Amino acid sequence: QAVVTQEPSLTVSPGGTVTLTCGSSTGAVTSGHYPCWFQQKSGQAPRTLIYDTSNLHSWTPTRFSGSLLGGKAALTLSGAQTEDEAEYNCLLSYSGVWVFGGGTKLTVL
Amino acid sequence: EVQLVESGGGLVQPGGSLRLSCAASGLTLSSYEMNWVRRTPGKGLEWVSYIGFSGSPIFYADSVKGRFTISRDNAKNSLFLQMNSLGAEDTALYYCVATICSGGRCYPDYWGQGTLVTVSS
Repeated sequence: QAVVTQEPSLTVSPGGTVTLTCGSSTGAVTSGHYPCWFQQKSGQAPRTLIYDTSNLHSWTPTRFSGSLLGGKAALTLSGAQTEDEAEYNCLLSYSGVWVFGGGTKLTVL
Repeated sequence: EVQLVESGGGLVQPGGSLRLSCAASGLTLSSYEMNWVRRTPGKGLEWVSYIGFSGSPIFYADSVKGRFTISRDNAKNSLFLQMNSLGAEDTALYYCVATICSGGRCYPDYWGQGTLVTVSS
């Protein structure tokens, strides 16, 4: 089974910009992996932020964006707010089978 | 407000069984394809099982095939996961996930908060 990799942790300053990435052990991540990103805060249910590479969910603030960057899926947060401190997971689809990344703990400090 | 509320988790001995339930409110479950996903201490998030709108098709991860059975009752707006022959590797927080699929792509729309299953003697 493919392994999906994410940075274990990142820190961003309030108001700053940070990019989280999501790579695949099988090679470049493409739109055909239908990358998704979701956010999970302590004690809360996960919440999907982005689906199909770059589509924002109805509740996703526009400071979040998704893309493909250097062979990986990427989640960019522009203008970080303290409320964005959370774990972020990516999800890639391999012929319909979901494989999750290990998650990135984002600190806003 | 949309809510998915899982229940049925708990402590079970190796080889035992549990039946998880997921009750939906604020959404019509029959409009969604559904998945179970689990978060384990060692492996992180892992997809477990999928069920189509009306109960088919059904798919399982290799790690649970032959031991777990997914089902749904759209009239009761509920999803289930029957888990048999449980082992320590099944210890996890189990989430039900309302899923949208279109043109071969599926993505999670709503997640529950999870129910904890601990397999230990």
